[in-house]
Amino acid sequence: QVTLRESGPALVKPTQTLTLTCSFSGFSLNTSGMCVSWIRQPPGKALEWLALIDWDGSRYYTTSLKTRLTISKDTSKNEVVLTMTNMGPVDTGTYFCARISRTATGTATFQHWGQGILVTVSS
Amino acid sequence: DVQMTQSPSTLSASVGDRVTITCRASQNIKIWLAWYQQKPGKAPKLLVYKASSLEVGVPSRFSGSGYGTEFTLTIDSLQPDDFATYYCQQYDSYLYTFGQGTKLEIK
Repeated sequence: QVTLRESGPALVKPTQTLTLTCSFSGFSLNTSGMCVSWIRQPPGKALEWLALIDWDGSRYYTTSLKTRLTISKDTSKNEVVLTMTNMGPVDTGTYFCARISRTATGTATFQHWGQGILVTVSS
Repeated sequence: DVQMTQSPSTLSASVGDRVTITCRASQNIKIWLAWYQQKPGKAPKLLVYKASSLEVGVPSRFSGSGYGTEFTLTIDSLQPDDFATYYCQQYDSYLYTFGQGTKLEIK
């Protein structure tokens, strides 16, 4: 059974760096075809894809936030970490992590999601 | 980046109705389109992938179609549980993008 869970601070101050952790089980990020991604959603607004890390360590970022984002993995802990620098009020929202399986039988898109974590940016 | 445009933004319908949501991509994404259902306070749920493949466990009243730049999600015989927000998402490239969402409301 695949599960993912986000953890991190619920409140950050403007200009601070946000660090979120996605802890997962039921698969390994060492397995070919497996990827973990971060997606966010401001209150009442649409989903926005942020970043993805592949089983081989390849990393991809949304163009508009590329300079502020870093995604990394710790396969021994089954964790993926996202950092976002210079946080501002517009970054307030729910942050989700999700798994992608690009195997022969996988859906190749966001099939499994965490419950999300609400992050508020305020002084 | 590929831009995804959904229409309508809001859709009012009744139980038993058949509804269609449209998603347009700014460039050819072939079959690499997914549809998600999201309810308030919950994570999105994958309904359809590769434009027309139904995710396991999703009722057969949901169907997806399309290729290239035009895609549709159709729900036959709406059930009370179907009133939610729906998002399309492209994955032709590693720069994934979502549509702005369609809120399906009870008329």
